[in-house]
Amino acid sequence: AQSVTQLDSHVSVSEGTPVLLRCNYSSSYSPSLFWYVQHPNKGLQLLLKYTSAATLVKGINGFEAEFKKSETSFHLTKPSAHMSDAAEYFCVVSDIGGGFKTIFGAGTRLFVKA
Amino acid sequence: ETGVTQSPTHLIKTRGQQVTLRCSSQSGHNTVSWYQQALGQGPQFIFQYYREEENGRGNFPPRFSGLQFPNYSSELNVNALELDDSALYLCASSFSGGSLRYNEQFFGPGTRLTVL
Repeated sequence: AQSVTQLDSHVSVSEGTPVLLRCNYSSSYSPSLFWYVQHPNKGLQLLLKYTSAATLVKGINGFEAEFKKSETSFHLTKPSAHMSDAAEYFCVVSDIGGGFKTIFGAGTRLFVKA
Repeated sequence: ETGVTQSPTHLIKTRGQQVTLRCSSQSGHNTVSWYQQALGQGPQFIFQYYREEENGRGNFPPRFSGLQFPNYSSELNVNALELDDSALYLCASSFSGGSLRYNEQFFGPGTRLTVL
């Protein structure tokens, strides 16, 4: 069975400092992994995706994530936080175990201090 | 913004009633998924439709059902509404086919359902 664990419910950083949002997953098949962002009162937006190509994936707005199969992790990073990055971030896994399923993590709320 | 639209934007129903939510896919997409997002939580996968058939389902009871039409638009139907069904319902479209599996999903703005 698939599962996604976002290790931090809240992360607070200062503007200009690095961001690290942690995600571990479990899947019996070769999954695709995604990070989505949800700003207040706005829809979900795709940041980046991993679909069995390069393990280091670059996304929009300077975000990137590294797929580590041995650690079953897919952590999201950004070298320098911006105030506009404050939002809810979701790690997502999709695979076909028992029929197609997409599982969202519980989310990590990112706060960015001036 | 994505090209996925949902209607209505808000809806209020009473317990025991039935509701139908609608979704129009982004152009070129042939797959639709539905999610339930309770306040303060991540979206929960309800089911996915591809070629007008359900091809994946999450842990939701049979009173949650759906349809996909030949133009790839979709409906989510919920019977015998319960108070806990109050949530934001999200529709997402994507393209499935050939070597493209589990492609990224594009989300609509959602329908906010309140059950009293």
